[in-house]
Amino acid sequence: GAGVSQSPRYKVTKRGQDVALRCDPISGHVSLYWYRQALGQGPEFLTYFNYEAQQDKSGLPNDRFSAERPEGSISTLTIQRTEQRDSAMYRCASSLDRLAGPGELFFGEGSRLTVL
Amino acid sequence: QQPVQSPQAVILREGEDAVINCSSSKALYSVHWYRQKHGEAPVFLMILLKGGEQKGHEKISASFNEKKQQSSLYLTASQLSYSGTYFCGIYFAGGTSYGKLTFGQGTILTVHP
Repeated sequence: GAGVSQSPRYKVTKRGQDVALRCDPISGHVSLYWYRQALGQGPEFLTYFNYEAQQDKSGLPNDRFSAERPEGSISTLTIQRTEQRDSAMYRCASSLDRLAGPGELFFGEGSRLTVL
Repeated sequence: QQPVQSPQAVILREGEDAVINCSSSKALYSVHWYRQKHGEAPVFLMILLKGGEQKGHEKISASFNEKKQQSSLYLTASQLSYSGTYFCGIYFAGGTSYGKLTFGQGTILTVHP
């Protein structure tokens, strides 16, 4: 596809279950970012990759959150033992290259996670 | 460290102008502006780099005041399509992370006919 693709678009899970959110960036984009966005708030940085290397994971809330991008393309954000406070829109973004800082980010439609 | 945006919300009639401000307490390297319509993903508008000039995008332009660590987004002769939430994202100078954008809380812009 032409844009950043995320799946699933909606995920409802019970507290304590693990979830995996997938992001397929725009072809050729070097950098990939994960953000979390609460309703009515700006995106909150979680982590980002340059090719397959996770360059910064300082925004991951705790060790239940992890992300990988093993082949430098598709990325997976995994949340273990989900809690209700994890409920949010999780957005992936990609950019063509990295200047001295993030360039133009192309955001996906997001995965809305609801933890019951 | 989250930038502060003002105003929180603004209501306009078509053709009116608006200014949205984004301020930081830390030295900035670049400011990034995005617009998000309800139920959609944020869409990039422009980047302003430290030492750069005012940038424009149709009737939307922006400035970057390094001394004040502030950026302003100018919407001229607003159109209905300008409605949405505007976010500034800032990249801090001297940071160790080259990918981290920190977004403000957003400014809701509503344009009425």
